Amino acid sequence: DTAVSQTPKYLVTQMGNDKSIKCEQNLGHDTMYWYKQDSKKFLKIMFSYNNKELIINETVPNRFSPKSPDKAHLNLHINSLELGDSAVYFCATGSGSPYEQYFGPGTRLTVT
Amino acid sequence: GQQLNQSPQSMFIQEGEDVSMNCTSSSIFNTWLWYKQDPGEGPVLLIALYKAGELTSNGRLTAQFGITRKDSFLNISASIPSDVGIYFCAGHPIAGEYGNKLVFGAGTILRVKS
Repeated sequence: DTAVSQTPKYLVTQMGNDKSIKCEQNLGHDTMYWYKQDSKKFLKIMFSYNNKELIINETVPNRFSPKSPDKAHLNLHINSLELGDSAVYFCATGSGSPYEQYFGPGTRLTVT
Repeated sequence: GQQLNQSPQSMFIQEGEDVSMNCTSSSIFNTWLWYKQDPGEGPVLLIALYKAGELTSNGRLTAQFGITRKDSFLNISASIPSDVGIYFCAGHPIAGEYGNKLVFGAGTILRVKS
């Protein structure tokens, strides 16, 4: 049973399209996160939800909108995709304290 | 914003050698974490540290929470080819505005010669 799963694993799409990435966790954690990993492998937090409530919203274009239908799911919807959105997006979960976070396998988004 | 300095950026070592990497911060942390990322996968938590001076092992991996609370070290003994990957340090600053947010280092790329 995968603790944190993401779909799809790969996503290739054209500029201007709208796409979604889904994340599900079965760890029972209260907090879920979205990270972006760029080509230099730097991990940058985008959003955090705690019990379906948005907690962290870093400086991210408003084309990115997270949605948490329940505690086990956090989806990322991206409107009007741009070339610079190409990256690997990771979902992660944590129980808050201690501050351990557990990552999903990632979604490699390629915008052409 | 808060940044971690992780070094070295990359290492190319002989199989069987010991490896050391570290992370330093300008502020005090209450948690240090070490992750490993294999190609095409997500980061996997290796070791978590919660107390200054704490030394924790996970197989051939040993990590320490620096006594100043501003640094952490990861050692890998007798490296093997499957140790290849990117190692990330991450930490939680004591300063309250970070909430549950972790600060990540830029990663150390480990390559092993067989």
